[in-house]
Amino acid sequence: KAGVTQTPRYLIKTRGQQVTLSCSPISGHRSVSWYQQTPGQGLQFLFEYFSETQRNKGNFPGRFSGRQFSNSRSEMNVSTLELGDSALYLCASSLVTSGELFFGEGSRLTVL
Amino acid sequence: TQLLEQSPQFLSIQEGENLTVYCNSSSVFSSLQWYRQEPGEGPVLLVTVVTGGEVKKLKRLTFQFGDARKDSSLHITAAQPGDTGLYLCAGRKDSSNTGKLIFGQGTTLQVKP
Repeated sequence: KAGVTQTPRYLIKTRGQQVTLSCSPISGHRSVSWYQQTPGQGLQFLFEYFSETQRNKGNFPGRFSGRQFSNSRSEMNVSTLELGDSALYLCASSLVTSGELFFGEGSRLTVL
Repeated sequence: TQLLEQSPQFLSIQEGENLTVYCNSSSVFSSLQWYRQEPGEGPVLLVTVVTGGEVKKLKRLTFQFGDARKDSSLHITAAQPGDTGLYLCAGRKDSSNTGKLIFGQGTTLQVKP
């Protein structure tokens, strides 16, 4: 079956702009989690959505937000971009009965 | 503060050598997972350990969860170039299956032919 699909794969923005990233989970997976990966901090949890509700939230500023739609697809938004937001943003989907996360290939964001 | 400390951060070895990667914490985890990530891809789950003292084997890879559930190790026997990648340990603090994991910084492994 198809894996987790993230779009776009690469994007370049300038400081102050905003960005929206999209994630389509594996069919049947209702939980979608987002992570930020940087060389300095590694993978850090942003938030998790389940059945259109935010179930968990990491320690990121309010500029980072997300939502989930009724078909389980999820988007995350970063407003007022800063240079430090440059990172690989990974989305993962999972079944509620399993602890295994299935990651997408990520969206690489560069902020200039 | 990194709750999960991985060591070493980088490892470059010759094909056929053995290696061990460590994942340590001062906190107790309900479960620990190991992932491998290759360039341009997302992490892929290798194993989940949930019981203190548990040992799991996956071909040439052996995973162990510490008795106190604060640490874990990954041992690779007779490493091959295909084992090259970023190895990540990740833990859950509670027993639920949420998507919230705490990741270690990762160990970059290079196996030279």
